[in-house]
Amino acid sequence: ELKVEQNPLFLSMQEGKNYTIYCNYSTTSDRLYWYRQDPGKSLESLFVLLSNGAVKQEGRLMASLDTKARLSTLHITAAVHDLSATYFCAVARYNNNDMRFGAGTRLTVKP
Amino acid sequence: DVKVTQSSRYLVKRTGEKVFLECVQDMDHENMFWYRQDPGLGLRLIYFSYDVKMKEKGDIPEGYSVSREKKERFSLILESASTNQTSMYLCASREQGNTIYFGEGSWLTVV
Repeated sequence: ELKVEQNPLFLSMQEGKNYTIYCNYSTTSDRLYWYRQDPGKSLESLFVLLSNGAVKQEGRLMASLDTKARLSTLHITAAVHDLSATYFCAVARYNNNDMRFGAGTRLTVKP
Repeated sequence: DVKVTQSSRYLVKRTGEKVFLECVQDMDHENMFWYRQDPGLGLRLIYFSYDVKMKEKGDIPEGYSVSREKKERFSLILESASTNQTSMYLCASREQGNTIYFGEGSWLTVV
């Protein structure tokens, strides 16, 4: 059974600080996704990581994937208030027909 | 742009009622999904479909059924709604292996 664990579940940061969200998964997979959700809204795609060692960056967010360790990280650099949201990672099974999500990390960036 | 449309955004139903949640996507995607989202539990997969008339159970299928008679439409059915099915329901679609796109969500309250 594919399980996805994120930590931390809650993260309160000061503006300008750096932090990392971790996503561990339990079975072999080569596709990992990161999503952002604002309160009351649906999920917005941030990154798709397709292979071991993949790294993608968009603004202050950088995601990486280590398939051997079954670990992805979402690194936040010099956080700003606009990054406050809930961030989810998701992993596709080997046949890519379904996906499982982590519980989400609720990020609050304080001035 | 990919569009995933959930026809009902907010519903209030009585215990025991039959509930239909409709989802339509306009990009000819093969895979469609129904998730429910509850605070602290993230997104949990109810059912998914990888082709017309094909469906597979996710992690929490009990109390739900689905229908996919046409490629663009995936319906979630609650045969007899119960209060523990009060939740936000998210529909999504995806071409195999690619990014998953979400609808806006359907907030269901069962009283």
